[in-house]
This record gives sequence, structure tokens and C-alpha cells, in this order.
Amino acid sequence: AQSVTQLDSHVSVSEGTPVLLRCNYSSSYSPSLFWYVQHPNKGLQLLLKYTSAATLVKGINGFEAEFKKSETSFHLTKPSAHMSDAAEYFCVVSAQAAGNKLTFGGGTRVLVKP
Amino acid sequence: DGGITQSPKYLFRKEGQNVTLSCEQNLNHDAMYWYRQDPGQGLRLIYYSQIVNDFQKGDIAEGYSVSREKKESFPLTVTSAQKNPTAFYLCASSIFSQDSLKGYEQYFGPGTRLTVT
Repeated sequence: AQSVTQLDSHVSVSEGTPVLLRCNYSSSYSPSLFWYVQHPNKGLQLLLKYTSAATLVKGINGFEAEFKKSETSFHLTKPSAHMSDAAEYFCVVSAQAAGNKLTFGGGTRVLVKP
Repeated sequence: DGGITQSPKYLFRKEGQNVTLSCEQNLNHDAMYWYRQDPGQGLRLIYYSQIVNDFQKGDIAEGYSVSREKKESFPLTVTSAQKNPTAFYLCASSIFSQDSLKGYEQYFGPGTRLTVT
């Protein structure tokens, strides 16, 4: 079994300040972890993925995430928010043993203030 | 350009009618998936298929049906038995390999917003 908890349903930041989106996971398998972003009325775009190589993963648009097995966490960060970062972000866990089905967190909506 | 296409972008139907949502991919992926997203919520899996002519129910399959006659195509039919069909529907595809323990990322289409009145 696997599950994902995104600890904040909404995050508000000022443009140019750091962004932190928190994610904890649970999995009976050796999981892969992903962050996806969704802009309004659009599909999901992959930001980055962890699949057991380096624990610090760099993604697109300046985002990165750190896999911490001891804390079962996979938090997403960006050093400086941009207005275009306003969107919903989903933390996702997957494992081949689970049929490669994705298990989604509830999402974190990010608001960027000018 | 490789990717996933869903059509139409917006779809309106009267209650009691079946409706079919299209999903096509040219990524040569074996696996395809259908999700439903309701306002303010994450995605819920409806059906998935790992190989042509085979598919499995996801978490909320009741009132939906699918077919997988071609590798590139995975249409979803929303039947009149689906009690609350108005939602945003997303199709996705991925590599599938039984030799790997890791899960593969899924690539998503742009979605179809279905409104049933």
C-alpha cells in the first residue's frame, strides 16, 4: 500500500522569496516519487522525479526536491518564486509492484503575490 | 511532436446519455490511464491498461467503460450509470516494464472538461 500527504493545502509567497511545499509519503515498496504542476484547466506537467539515484533531485523551472528516507519526506523547494509559479502542485508516489499506479497527494495551491 | 491528445477540450451532454472521451498517444507507451479530477481535489484513477486488449479497474470504475484495441488509443465512455459525471477527465500514458521495481512517470494529456446537465 502507498499514500501521500501534502501538509499544506495552500501556500502564499511573495515574488522573489523562497517556496517550500511539504510532502510525506508511505509505501510498502521501493517507491519512485514525483512532483507535478497543474495550471488552471490544464493537464499535469512533470516537474521532477526521484527513482533511487541522487537524493537531491533538480527539476525544471528552478525547482528541486530532496528525498529523505528516514523522514519519509520529499519536500519541493525553489529559491525565488516567480509569478508564473502560481499553480497547484501534486506530490505523487509510484511503484512497479503497485502496477505503476500513481498515488496522489491532495495538492498544494500556490499563490504568488507581487 | 510526441505527446498525448484528448478531444474535445469541452463536452456538454444531457443526463442519461452516454459519452465517449478520446485519448491518443504517439509516445509508443504500453500503459495508459484515465483519471477524474473534481474541484479542489487530487486525481482518482478510473481505469488503466498495461497492454493492448487488456485493462483493469481503478478506484472509481463504476459507471465507466474503456477499450484498448490499439496501442495508441484508450477511449473512455461515461455511461448513464455514472451518478455524478461532471468533472475534468485526464488521460495519461507511461512506459511499462515488469523487469523494473521502480514506478515510471506518467505523461498527461490536456484534459477534457465534461459537463452533464
